[in-house]
Amino acid sequence: IAGITQAPTSQILAAGRRMTLRCTQDMRHNAMYWYRQDLGLGLRLIHYSNTAGTTGKGEVPDGYSVSRANTDDFPLTLASAVPSQTSVYFCASSLSTGAASEAFFGQGTRLTVV
Amino acid sequence: AQSVTQLDSQVPVFEEAPVELRCNYSSSVSVYLFWYVQYPNQGLQLLLKYLSGSTLVKGINGFEAEFNKSQTSFHLRKPSVHISDTAEYFCAVSDPGDYGGSQGNLIFGKGTKLSVKP
Repeated sequence: IAGITQAPTSQILAAGRRMTLRCTQDMRHNAMYWYRQDLGLGLRLIHYSNTAGTTGKGEVPDGYSVSRANTDDFPLTLASAVPSQTSVYFCASSLSTGAASEAFFGQGTRLTVV
Repeated sequence: AQSVTQLDSQVPVFEEAPVELRCNYSSSVSVYLFWYVQYPNQGLQLLLKYLSGSTLVKGINGFEAEFNKSQTSFHLRKPSVHISDTAEYFCAVSDPGDYGGSQGNLIFGKGTKLSVKP
C-alpha cells in the first residue's frame, strides 16, 4: 500500500543520545516535511525539503537536522536529545511544492527523552 | 506570517446532534484552507480543502466547511455526528512563500477534540 512509513513507532531515549527517526515515502512526492505534535500546541514544522538535495528550516529547527539524499527518504536526526524533545513526530509529503498540494502523513513516532 | 485559531479546544456533543468546529485565520490575502482529522494513535488525513470557487466545500464522512473571506473563517460542520467521528480536528492554512519560500507548508491550528457521546 502506497504511503509514508515512519520508524520506529515509539522510542524511549536517554538524554544526550543521538537518534535518527526514519521516514520513507513511495508516492514519488517532491516535498517532505517533519512536524512535532505537542499537547495544546498543534503541529509545528521542524524542517522541510522541497525536492531531493534541498532542505530548509521550519518553525522549531533547533536541535534537529535533516537530509534528503533521494526522493523517497527524509530522516530526522537529534544529535543530542533533551527532555524537551519528548513529542510525537510526524513525517509528511506532498506531490508538489505548490500551496494547494495536499499533505499525506505517516503514523507518527512517539519519542520520550528521559 | 499566517496563523490559525481554532476557538474551541474541546467540543462534546451527543450522537446524531449537529456540530460546528470553528476556525479563523489571520490574513485576508489569498490562501488555501484545509481541515484534517486525526483518529487516536494515527496520523492526520485530509477531510476537505478550499482552493477557489464555491465557498461551500464538501468533504469525506459527511463533513462540509464554508469559506468566509470577510470574516477570515473556515468553519467545519456536520449535520449529524456519529460515535466514529470522535477524533481531533485540525484546521490548516497554506501560504506560499512562508518560511523563506517553503511553498506548500501547512500552518496548523492547535486542534479541536470532538467527543461524541451516545
